[in-house]
Amino acid sequence: AQSVTQLGSHVSVSEGALVLLRCNYSSSVPPYLFWYVQYPNQGLQLLLKYTTGATLVKGINGFEAEFKKSETSFHLTKPSAHMSDAAEYFCAVRGNTGGFKTIFGAGTRLFVKA
Amino acid sequence: KAGVTQTPRYLIKTRGQQVTLSCSPISGHRSVSWYQQTPGQGLQFLFEYFSETQRNKGNFPGRFSGRQFSNSRSEMNVSTLELGDSAFYLCASSFFGGGVEETQYFGPGTRLLVL
Repeated sequence: AQSVTQLGSHVSVSEGALVLLRCNYSSSVPPYLFWYVQYPNQGLQLLLKYTTGATLVKGINGFEAEFKKSETSFHLTKPSAHMSDAAEYFCAVRGNTGGFKTIFGAGTRLFVKA
Repeated sequence: KAGVTQTPRYLIKTRGQQVTLSCSPISGHRSVSWYQQTPGQGLQFLFEYFSETQRNKGNFPGRFSGRQFSNSRSEMNVSTLELGDSAFYLCASSFFGGGVEETQYFGPGTRLLVL
């Protein structure tokens, strides 16, 4: 069975500071990993995804994530936070079973202080 | 190209009633998935449809059902509503859905309140 654990339901950073959102996964098959962002009362937008190949993945809005198999982690980072980054972020895993049975983490709400 | 649309955006129902939510995928997309989002349980997978067939199903009671039409539009139905069904319902579409590398595009969601 696959699962995703996001460490920290809330993270607060100052504008311009490093953003680090943690995600650990459990999967019995090679995982496909995703980060999504959700703004209030809106759907989810894909930030980035890891399927195969390079373990450092660059996404939109300056975000990137590194797949570390040995640590079963896929942490999301951004060098410098912007006020517009304040949102909820979801890490997700999808196994190679066909179709889209995506398993989401509980989410991390990012607050950005001026 | 228009994005995924969901109707209605907001809905209030009472216990025991039934509700139907609609999702229109991006033109050309054939896979539609549904998710329930609640503060307590987070985002949970309901089911996925591809070419009018349910291909994957999450762990929800039989009161939750869905279907997909030949134009790929999908509906989700919840019968005998319970207070716990109050949630944000999201649908997502993708072109084929057979490859995990495909991107799912999410709609704006439907907020359902059951009184």
